[in-house]
Amino acid sequence: EVQLVESGGGLVQPGGSLRLSCAASGFTVSGNYMSWVRQSPRKGLEWVSLINNDDNTYYADSVKGRFTISRDKSKNTLYLQMSSLRGEDTAVYYCASGGSGGWDLKSWGQGTLVTVSS
Amino acid sequence: EIQMTQSPSTLSASVGDRVTITCRASQSIISWLAWYQQKPGKAPNLLIYKASSLESGVPSRFSGSGAGTEFTLTISSLQPDDSATYYCQQYKSYSSFGQGTKLEIK
Repeated sequence: EVQLVESGGGLVQPGGSLRLSCAASGFTVSGNYMSWVRQSPRKGLEWVSLINNDDNTYYADSVKGRFTISRDKSKNTLYLQMSSLRGEDTAVYYCASGGSGGWDLKSWGQGTLVTVSS
Repeated sequence: EIQMTQSPSTLSASVGDRVTITCRASQSIISWLAWYQQKPGKAPNLLIYKASSLESGVPSRFSGSGAGTEFTLTISSLQPDDSATYYCQQYKSYSSFGQGTKLEIK
């Protein structure tokens, strides 16, 4: 059974940094397209970033240059390094594995809340 | 960025009704569209991919159609468990989501 478990969320001040983790079981993170998606009451669901099976990375314009997606094959874990955080980054962050098209989102974690506030 | 617009924003229907939700893209996305169901406090759940392919394990009362810029999600016979918010997602050019359609059971 595929399972994704996010961690690392919390309260951070504007301008601060945070690293989210997504531990996977039941499949290998390195062989799959993996994404981060966030959700806030203000903006709804928002795609954030994707890493494909060739390790190419893609980012939404709103986070480009501030966020970095990566994965650790040995730990079967996906990461999202977030820096220069802003209030509008406040959201529940989900990791998800790609479906048949890679960019469609077949399996999701339970989400981790990131709050950016002073 | 490709903008996705769903209609209606809210919908109230009775058990057994046929329900249709529409999603329009600001430019052609061919068939690179997915539909998700989300219940309160839970992550979204993939229902349909590539506009009309039913995800494994999803009840057959759900179906998707369309191509280009206009797409629909249809529930053929509404069940109480279908009360949720539904989202479309394009993945032709990076990715973006519609604003959601909240479906309530009368």
